[in-house]
Order: sequence, then structure tokens, then C-alpha cells
Amino acid sequence: DAGVIQSPRHEVTEMGQEVTLRCKPISGHDYLFWYRQTMMRGLELLIYFNNNVPIDDSGMPEDRFSAKMPNASFSTLKIQPSEPRDSAVYFCASSLKRAPSTDTQYFGPGTRLTVL
Amino acid sequence: GENVEQHPSTLSVQEGDSAVIKCTYSDSASNYFPWYKQELGKGPQLIIDIRSNVGEKKDQRIAVTLNKTAKHFSLHITETQPEDSAVYFCAAVEDRGSTLGRLYFGRGTQLTVWP
Repeated sequence: DAGVIQSPRHEVTEMGQEVTLRCKPISGHDYLFWYRQTMMRGLELLIYFNNNVPIDDSGMPEDRFSAKMPNASFSTLKIQPSEPRDSAVYFCASSLKRAPSTDTQYFGPGTRLTVL
Repeated sequence: GENVEQHPSTLSVQEGDSAVIKCTYSDSASNYFPWYKQELGKGPQLIIDIRSNVGEKKDQRIAVTLNKTAKHFSLHITETQPEDSAVYFCAAVEDRGSTLGRLYFGRGTQLTVWP
């Protein structure tokens, strides 16, 4: 398997623009996670899905952020409108088992977002 | 929620020396503690983990120890090699079985191993 795939790897946009980050989890994995990594706050869980259904979005910073998982092989994280403080590396991860806390989460390479 | 603190934030060692990274957590309900390694330009990868019913676990040159009473856990790397250079993250979570406990990460330790 190719692992978790994320696109784009780098995104530079201007404040106010819509940004869409994409993720393809490992085939057969039941759980998908979106994380954000910044120097100030470290790694934070934004939202996670189980069998394509959003389970916990309490980590989503505000209404400007939204995430979808239309099928088992694709998820998006959208920011509209984007702001400079959204600049970060966004990771997607997936895991397999019913005990996702303790099963290995496989991270993608991340998308480095810069909002000017 | 859980609060995980990690020290040091940077660590430089000579090749062959040992490296120790320490973490503390606040929530006594946390019972699973994974460690992740993040190389430059890549996502974190699980390298070792430990559960609260175990005090120590070893995998070749890597070992983790857990003191549940003191809420401390540590990563030990022996005979360090330049390829061990990376950012290491500790994390803590409550294992609830079939429901997800949120992983709380430490802030990371940049380990540099000099040849």
C-alpha cells in the first residue's frame, strides 16, 4: 500500500481565499483523523471520522473549518475564508481497529499551508 | 482534558551515546502511551508504545519506562546513530476499547545525533 496520501504537499494562498486539503487513507482503514501542527500549539487533533461519519469535531478551531468524508477512500478539510493564523502543517492519519486509540495511526506526509 | 509535557525541547548527543526524553501527563485515566518519530518533511510514525499495566518495554535500542504513580514516562535510545535524528513526540490517551480516546501529544523533542 502507498500509505496515507495527502495533496497538495504545499499550498500558498492569500488571506480570504478558500483552501481545500485532500486525503486518501490506507485502504481498509476505518478511522480517519485530521491534525494540525504548529510551533505554538504542537500537534492538535481537529476532527476524526469512523466509517465516513464525523465522530468528534471538537478540535475544529471555528466555523471557517469544515471536513467531509464522502466515501471510504477520500476526505477533505476546507478552510473558508483562510487567515494567516491558519498557516500550519496539516496531517491526515488513518487507523484500522475498533480500538483506534491504541492502534497505530498512520500519518500522511502532511500539507504545509501558508496563508499570506 | 489531558495535558502532556515533554522535555527537553532539543537534545544533542554524540553518536553512540544514549538519549533520554521525558514526559509527564495529568489525567490519571490515561493508560496508553505511544511515542512517535517525525523525520523532516514526513508525518509522525509510531516507534514504540506502552500500557499502564507494564512498567517497561524494550525494542532493540529503544525502551520506554512508565511510572504511573508519578505520571511520568520516558523514551530511552541507546547507541544512538545519526539516523535517529528527528523530532520525537510522546502522547497519552485513555484506552476506552471500542470508543476513541483522544491522543494528546507533547510538544516534541528535536534530537540531533552528531557523528
